[in-house]
Amino acid sequence: EPEVTQTPSHQVTQMGQEVILRCVPISNHLYFYWYRQILGQKVEFLVSFYNNEISEKSEIFDDQFSVERPDGSNFTLKIRSTKLEDSAMYFCASRPTSGPADTQYFGPGTRLTVL
Amino acid sequence: AQSVAQPEDQVNVAEGNPLTVKCTYSVSGNPYLFWYVQYPNRGLQFLLKYITGDNLVKGSYGFEAEFNKSQTSFHLKKPSALVSDSALYFCAVRDMGSNFGNEKLTFGTGTRLTIIP
Repeated sequence: EPEVTQTPSHQVTQMGQEVILRCVPISNHLYFYWYRQILGQKVEFLVSFYNNEISEKSEIFDDQFSVERPDGSNFTLKIRSTKLEDSAMYFCASRPTSGPADTQYFGPGTRLTVL
Repeated sequence: AQSVAQPEDQVNVAEGNPLTVKCTYSVSGNPYLFWYVQYPNRGLQFLLKYITGDNLVKGSYGFEAEFNKSQTSFHLKKPSALVSDSALYFCAVRDMGSNFGNEKLTFGTGTRLTIIP
């Protein structure tokens, strides 16, 4: 069964550094998402992406964040200058079609630790 | 704005007993409702969803959920719990009437289910 994959599984960085989190969505999916989960808290929506542009973003997704689909398979989340409060598990998700009922399938996550 | 409430942080059930994990929601229109499960150090795995039709939906691993519009609830159930069901369970909602671009799922805070052997 196809799965969303994410790399790396764990990233440790110094405050102020740039990080890029990578995701490979399921191959025939058209909609892509990033969510995050701060330790012990609920999963929060960051951004959705369709047709090579952001379709919605949350208040969390400020100018420090950006997303890109650099090729036909990868979907990346860049944090330009990391802060301590960016430490969280970041989940990528994808879904196949324009049907709003379609399920979002999540990757295993990248744990980001900012020191 | 859409929201989800999971009133119980922790639910303990003896193995073999029925289990219920509660979820209530709030949306401006009609909801799409989802349950996801998270095992330790793993991502979110889709369990089941309610879109329309029969209020009782069946999903993976023997789980089912009942949509109750009048009570705005979508409780997760299983007739006989297994130790392997121990995990963190998240309810999520999406507004069916939301415009294109409002794609997000809104999650509850999660309920930790522990099945006691």
